[in-house]
Amino acid sequence: GQQVMQIPQYQHVQEGEDFTTYCNSSTTLSNIQWYKQRPGGHPVFLIQLVKSGEVKKQKRLTFQFGEAKKNSSLHITATQTTDVGTYFCALSRDSGNTGKLIFGQGTTLQVKP
Amino acid sequence: SQTIHQWPATLVQPVGSPLSLECTVEGTSNPNLYWYRQAAGRGLQLLFYSVGIGQISSEVPQNLSASRPQDRQFILSSKKLLLSDSGFYLCACQRVAEAFFGQGTRLTVV
Repeated sequence: GQQVMQIPQYQHVQEGEDFTTYCNSSTTLSNIQWYKQRPGGHPVFLIQLVKSGEVKKQKRLTFQFGEAKKNSSLHITATQTTDVGTYFCALSRDSGNTGKLIFGQGTTLQVKP
Repeated sequence: SQTIHQWPATLVQPVGSPLSLECTVEGTSNPNLYWYRQAAGRGLQLLFYSVGIGQISSEVPQNLSASRPQDRQFILSSKKLLLSDSGFYLCACQRVAEAFFGQGTRLTVV
């Protein structure tokens, strides 16, 4: 079945450094979503990318969808301690509008103040 | 706006005991509902999916079952818990295209 690989698994950065997490699929994706889970919390939706080569920004976060729609990245510029958490990519499990998602394994970000 | 109530927040249960986790949704009607499980430090795995009352789709074979007795109520159950059932259980509903999650129940089977 469909799978998505997310790397790295963990990342420790100094506050102010940049951070990037990557998701890769062997198949072409219709869309990809990104979620953030704070320690001890539940995942919260950040964004959905749909178009080939799409780039979207939310303040210091930049989301990119690959030209071939097989990979995606989330880049955080100048990390802050509030960025700590686990970032997940997720893709639709089937072509219908069932809302079923396959999640990547997540990248856990630690930020040293 | 949608709200998901999940309880309890934390649960410690002995092996072999039954389980019942409840999820209720407010602010929407006829939602698609989901149960996900997250093992410690890992990603989320879809367990069950429901499009309406009494309609349950099991996504993975396991020791758990789900029921939807009312439009906005989704219940996760087990007759006899296993150690491997420990994890963080999240109820979610579909909001446009994305998943909207409840606060989750952290289950430890001892």
